[in-house]
Amino acid sequence: AQRVTQPEKLLSVFKGAPVELKCNYSYSGSPELFWYVQYSRQRLQLLLRHISRESIKGFTADLNKGETSFHLKKPFAQEEDSAMYYCALGGTSYGKLTFGQGTILTVHP
Amino acid sequence: EAGVAQSPRYKIIEKRQSVAFWCNPISGHATLYWYQQILGQGPKLLIQFQNNGVVDDSQLPKDRFSAERLKGVDSTLKIQPAKLEDSAVYLCASSSIRASSYEQYFGPGTRLTVT
Repeated sequence: AQRVTQPEKLLSVFKGAPVELKCNYSYSGSPELFWYVQYSRQRLQLLLRHISRESIKGFTADLNKGETSFHLKKPFAQEEDSAMYYCALGGTSYGKLTFGQGTILTVHP
Repeated sequence: EAGVAQSPRYKIIEKRQSVAFWCNPISGHATLYWYQQILGQGPKLLIQFQNNGVVDDSQLPKDRFSAERLKGVDSTLKIQPAKLEDSAVYLCASSSIRASSYEQYFGPGTRLTVT
């Protein structure tokens, strides 16, 4: 069975501080991991995917198969990063995603 | 391009009543998803369509929930009869099979309150 765990419901940091949102997964196959973000009063949208190995809005995420983790990191948080972040796992059904419970990130000025 | 449209945005009903939600995906997107998001939880896939065929409905409570996608475009999700635990935000998403299908485009959602 697929499972995604985001252990922190809430995460607060100050502007300019590093931020790391944790994500652990359980999956027997070859995983495809994603981060989706929902800003206030906006729709849920894709932030980044592990296969792209790209940085979006300063965020990066590395897939660690040994630790079954896909943590999202940013070295210097900005106030506009405040949002709900979901880690998601791609599964056996083409296009199917399993989401974690989400982490609310608040960046204080 | 226009985004995924959903209606209504809010709905309040009493338990045992029926309710229907409508979704219009992005033009040309063959895959359509319905998710249920209960407060404090992540979205949970209810049903996935590829054109007008069902790909996955393993988590759809079929005794009370039904969905259809006639003509492979718009979709309707129905709950009959509703229970208190159905209170949630119902999200519709679509994706193109030409791109990675994991890039799903979400609608604004319908917030359902069952009293």
